[in-house]
Amino acid sequence: GAGVSQTPSNKVTEKGKYVELRCDPISGHTALYWYRQSLGQGPEFLIYFQGTGAADDSGLPNDRFFAVRPEGSVSTLKIQRTERGDSAVYLCASSRSGATEAFFGQGTRLTVV
Amino acid sequence: GDSVTQMEGPVTLSEEAFLTINCTYTATGYPSLFWYVQYPGEGLQLLLKATKADDKGSNKGFEATYRKETTSFHLEKGSVQVSDSAVYFCALSPPFGNEKLTFGTGTRLTIIP
Repeated sequence: GAGVSQTPSNKVTEKGKYVELRCDPISGHTALYWYRQSLGQGPEFLIYFQGTGAADDSGLPNDRFFAVRPEGSVSTLKIQRTERGDSAVYLCASSRSGATEAFFGQGTRLTVV
Repeated sequence: GDSVTQMEGPVTLSEEAFLTINCTYTATGYPSLFWYVQYPGEGLQLLLKATKADDKGSNKGFEATYRKETTSFHLEKGSVQVSDSAVYFCALSPPFGNEKLTFGTGTRLTIIP
């Protein structure tokens, strides 16, 4: 596709439920990143993939959060037992290997009620 | 760890005014520095970047110079337009690219006609 695509654009879920957020990166981009942006804040790093493997998952807040990228393209961020504090916009970005510019999707706004 | 401190907003200016948004950083080595912009209803977009000391990034009339001695990357524009109204984020990444971005908290800029 022309840009990074994230689905759904909005997700409302009940506390305690499981959610999956999807990211389709730009074709050919080997690096993929997930960030979380709370209201009034800058994006905070969650996890970085280089190909299929997680090169850096130091930003995942706890073991309820998990992300996969099984074929080195599409990635899914999974959140178990959601809490109200998980409400935020989840951003995905991708970049070419060795490039300094990351391209961002429009994000998924997650609301936990 | 790495951090970015950004001028707090919101900032409101009249059209054709001069703009400065301050940004300072803390990092080891020589990070790459970025300004990202988020227009209303859109995703984050790279505005400009600089990858080494004394480099000047520029785009759409905006400029920022990588100042190692003051660890700063202030954003400037000589004459702002209504269309520049957006949220601006300063960010850094470690050298060599393909690494996570560390963002500031963002500055909301509103330009009034």
